Amino acid sequence: SQELEQSPQSLIVQEGKNLTINCTSSKTLYGLYWYKQKYGEGLIFLMMLQKGGEEKSHEKITAKLDEKKQQSSLHITASQPSHAGIYLCGAGDSGGYQKVTFGTGTKLQVIP
Amino acid sequence: NAGVMQNPRHLVRRRGQEARLRCSPMKGHSHVYWYRQLPEEGLKFMVYLQKENIIDESGMPKERFSAEFPKEGPSILRIQQVVRGDSAAYFCASSPIHLQEAQYFGPGTRLLVL
Repeated sequence: SQELEQSPQSLIVQEGKNLTINCTSSKTLYGLYWYKQKYGEGLIFLMMLQKGGEEKSHEKITAKLDEKKQQSSLHITASQPSHAGIYLCGAGDSGGYQKVTFGTGTKLQVIP
Repeated sequence: NAGVMQNPRHLVRRRGQEARLRCSPMKGHSHVYWYRQLPEEGLKFMVYLQKENIIDESGMPKERFSAEFPKEGPSILRIQQVVRGDSAAYFCASSPIHLQEAQYFGPGTRLLVL
């Protein structure tokens, strides 16, 4: 079965600083998703990557899927308190992505 | 355009009772998924359903748990004879008819078994 390891497990940054979260898979990644979860709430969809080398951006968040499709990174530029939360990467199965395996999560705190 | 809706948001049950969790997918979505998030653990896939069909239930516990997505109405996750270990957050997600699309999550139902 596929396993996703996220690093770091937790992160505390000063507002305005950049940061990167990594997601490493034990197998080839198909349909890699990034979500954000606030404590006690549901998951907010951020981005989906499918092709090796693909990069997507939304506002100050950029996600990349490496060429070999076994690692993805999420980069936040000029972090703000609103970015605080738990970031989860998820990998779809090789078929139709229906069964998503989630990573261990990265807890981000942004200090004003 | 309403998102995925789940109710109740919080549910308290005593050991041995039944818990029924409801999920209404986003408009236009015909695929529903249930996930469970145990305290201090990650999010785990439970079951994938389409209307009137269970497609993949490989993550469902073998006993006491069942799910359905009827032709009319919401998807239901049913837990019979709940035990303390069932206490968790249960999330529903939905996706459009086409495969290889993102799943959109509801706010979750937090089940507490006393």
